Amino acid sequence: GAGVSQSPRYKVTKRGQDVTLRCDPISSHATLYWYQQALGQGPEFLTYFNYEAQPDKSGLPSDRFSAERPEGSISTLTIQRTEQRDSAMYRCASSLGPTPSYEQYFGPGTRLTVT
Amino acid sequence: AQKVTQAQTEISVVEKEDVTLDCVYETRDTTYYLFWYKQPPSGELVFLIRRNSFDEQNEISGRYSWNFQKSTSSFNFTITASQVVDSAVYFCARDAGGTSYGKLTFGQGTILTVHP
Repeated sequence: GAGVSQSPRYKVTKRGQDVTLRCDPISSHATLYWYQQALGQGPEFLTYFNYEAQPDKSGLPSDRFSAERPEGSISTLTIQRTEQRDSAMYRCASSLGPTPSYEQYFGPGTRLTVT
Repeated sequence: AQKVTQAQTEISVVEKEDVTLDCVYETRDTTYYLFWYKQPPSGELVFLIRRNSFDEQNEISGRYSWNFQKSTSSFNFTITASQVVDSAVYFCARDAGGTSYGKLTFGQGTILTVHP
């Protein structure tokens, strides 16, 4: 596609529910990143994929968080048993390859609110 | 992670003033990359610039300029003759170093408000 898209743009859920967020990267991009951005803060790395491989998930805050990219294109981020502290903007970015020499293009984000 | 610090939380200027946003970073690496992103009120993150640590030349792009000083680990961003449309949150970032594979470490952001 023309740019990175994310859905839904806004999600309100009750504490304890599971949520799944979706990222559709630029079609030629091998690498996909997930970041979490709390209000008033910069984005923080969660995990990344190179095609369907997930070499680094060191930023996932707990085992309630998981991500997939089974066919090397669309990715999902799932948060199980949501807690209020999970409320944040979740951003996806894609790039041509897994090095900082390639620009990361960010999607519009999903604003998650856990009540 | 190697930290990125943006000391200015908020800056307020009047249109046509020049404004400089400060960024200081930690590094234990010889090779690294630095970035600036803009987050306008609409919320998206817009890439502005990427610099390699080997390229210390300052860069100018229209009203934007960047001053990279390895000796002080700083990568400051100046907007000349600011405009209301420059109002946004600006983030400085660097790659996480080592075998970071491109993941970025961001500063906490500087909120710039340009008043007419």
